[in-house]
Amino acid sequence: ETGVTQTPRHLVMGMTNKKSLKCEQHLGHNAMYWYKQSAKKPLELMFVYSLEERVENNSVPSRFSPECPNSSHLFLHLHTLQPEDSALYLCASSQEGARGTQYFGPGTRLLVL
Amino acid sequence: DQQVKQNSPSLSVQEGRISILNCDYTNSMFDYFLWYKKYPAEGPTFLISISSIKDKNEDGRFTVFLNKSAKHLSLHIVPSQPGDSAVYFCAAPIPGYSTLTFGKGTMLLVSP
Repeated sequence: ETGVTQTPRHLVMGMTNKKSLKCEQHLGHNAMYWYKQSAKKPLELMFVYSLEERVENNSVPSRFSPECPNSSHLFLHLHTLQPEDSALYLCASSQEGARGTQYFGPGTRLLVL
Repeated sequence: DQQVKQNSPSLSVQEGRISILNCDYTNSMFDYFLWYKKYPAEGPTFLISISSIKDKNEDGRFTVFLNKSAKHLSLHIVPSQPGDSAVYFCAAPIPGYSTLTFGKGTMLLVSP
């Protein structure tokens, strides 16, 4: 498998559920990102991990919890989400120093009921 | 406050003609710009980039022009093909950070 993969591709969850999104990159990159894309809004950066350490957290609510166990894997743990959290969640990876050229996964389309 | 702006949400062009997608930025510290292309149900894919030391970068049918004095860049696609129909995002690395800031995107529709 090549590039950046994300699972699941689609997820429907209730507000009391706990679920996790998974991202895996096969590019040998050392930085990984979570983005949120809502309708008619620009891509919103949520978290950045560089060399497995979280370097940025863009004021994201605590109901979103990232985890980066190694440089190839990134998780986004979800709990007690709200309907307004319904969006496309995109994972990306890059090589530090590559002037921002990020490679994106296909995204997880999340619907919170 | 958005630092990268794409003011046209959509653009329709006939096959074979030129598509011009525009992007404005506000931060004069930006020195590198990228264009991404996104099909429905897929993540964005990197298309082309330009450094601020250049005013033009060309890759096949795609050319990006940079006007630093106007803080404006544009992506030209010539000739446009129906397979180019997608959402195009302009982006720039935020100086001092490991992140990109994106515009809202422009949906391009190329009709046969």
